[in-house]
Amino acid sequence: QVQLVQSGAEVKKPGSSVKVSCKASGGPFSSYAISWVRQAPGQGLEWMGGIIPTFGKADYAQKFQGRVTITADESTSTAYMELISLRSDDTAVYYCAREALAVGLEYWGQGTLVTVSS
Amino acid sequence: EIVLTQSPGTLSLSPGERATLSCRASQSVSSNYLAWFQQKPGQAPSLLIYGASSRASGIPDRFSGSGSGTAFTLTISRLEPEDFAVYYCQQYGSSPLTFGQGTRLEIK
Repeated sequence: QVQLVQSGAEVKKPGSSVKVSCKASGGPFSSYAISWVRQAPGQGLEWMGGIIPTFGKADYAQKFQGRVTITADESTSTAYMELISLRSDDTAVYYCAREALAVGLEYWGQGTLVTVSS
Repeated sequence: EIVLTQSPGTLSLSPGERATLSCRASQSVSSNYLAWFQQKPGQAPSLLIYGASSRASGIPDRFSGSGSGTAFTLTISRLEPEDFAVYYCQQYGSSPLTFGQGTRLEIK
């Protein structure tokens, strides 16, 4: 059974950066896309971007271009999402999800709460 | 970018009733790559339906999806108490992936 385990909650100051990890187990890693989706308190789901580890090139939502970097380490089956220049409205739960061809976002991590506050 | 609009925003029904949720896309969804997710408070979303009409592994057959192109529907044939949650549609046929704003299914 595929499992995605994310790093723990973070509290950050405005203007700083955060890097969230997502470790995959129980299945292949390199050929499946990993997406990052965030959810602000009481709000809906928002796709930030994704990466297919074996290709290494990430695709980003225009809203986050220039502020987010998604990477993957095939040797540890871990994907990362780094968000810079944090603002208070970046406070959200950040999820990673593994995408299977034709199936979509089949497996999700447990979520990582990032709180941005001075 | 494909904009997904879900209706209604909130649906109030009783256990045993039938629920019909709608998702409309601003342009045709490629290959009908349209998914439905269920999300309960404090939990990650859970995949229910993919490819517009295929149930994900372990999903009860009271959940069904239909539609193509720009109009999609999630139907829950007989509501169980555990079905009351928020439901999102999502398209994964083209980048950027996009989600609808959600439908809250609440107990009447």
